[in-house]
Amino acid sequence: GENVEQHPSTLSVQEGDSAVIKCTYSDSASNYFPWYKQELGKRPQLIIDIRSNVGEKKDQRIAVTLNKTAKHFSLHITETQPEDSAVYFCAPGRGGSNSGYALNFGKGTSLLVTP
Amino acid sequence: NAGVTQTPKFRVLKTGQSMTLLCAQDMNHEYMYWYRQDPGMGLRLIHYSVGEGTTAKGEVPDGYNVSRLKKQNFLLGLESAAPSQTSVYFCASSPGDSRGRSQYFGPGTRLTVL
Repeated sequence: GENVEQHPSTLSVQEGDSAVIKCTYSDSASNYFPWYKQELGKRPQLIIDIRSNVGEKKDQRIAVTLNKTAKHFSLHITETQPEDSAVYFCAPGRGGSNSGYALNFGKGTSLLVTP
Repeated sequence: NAGVTQTPKFRVLKTGQSMTLLCAQDMNHEYMYWYRQDPGMGLRLIHYSVGEGTTAKGEVPDGYNVSRLKKQNFLLGLESAAPSQTSVYFCASSPGDSRGRSQYFGPGTRLTVL
């Protein structure tokens, strides 16, 4: 099956700094690349996603960049705030309605933003 | 809209007991999913459904069964619970196909098997 790895597993930054989390995957058929944020005790929530025909997408302080050749994509958070503290998951998925567009979650990166 | 809801929120079972977790969505989504989340393991797909009356196995299906008799509901059953099934269970739904692949999660069910 798909092998998904996230780095780093933990990340601590000061408020206002940038944070970058990298996700590598093994399935070359993956064509959908979302990032989820999960606060302690809460459900995962989609924060940004990108499709395989796009190299970069930005939404205010959050951006995702994709390198399909190297099979990795990254989450970039600028001007971090304490409320960005959470666990972030990448979850690359492959197409095909029969597969239910199933996602393969990484093990998560715990981000701590200190004031 | 309530979005995705799960029942119950918490449950404690003894080994060998059975139970059913209920997931409901009011967004008219075609696809529904059951995941389990264990510490340090991320989310792992148990079963999924691409439409009413259809189900398929995910990454970790052993020990679980599912049914999707109505489009808005997706049930996860444990026939004979084992301590290894202690976990937090999340249900998710997705519009599917061209309408979007984003998955929306329920609040989770925390299950403990003694």
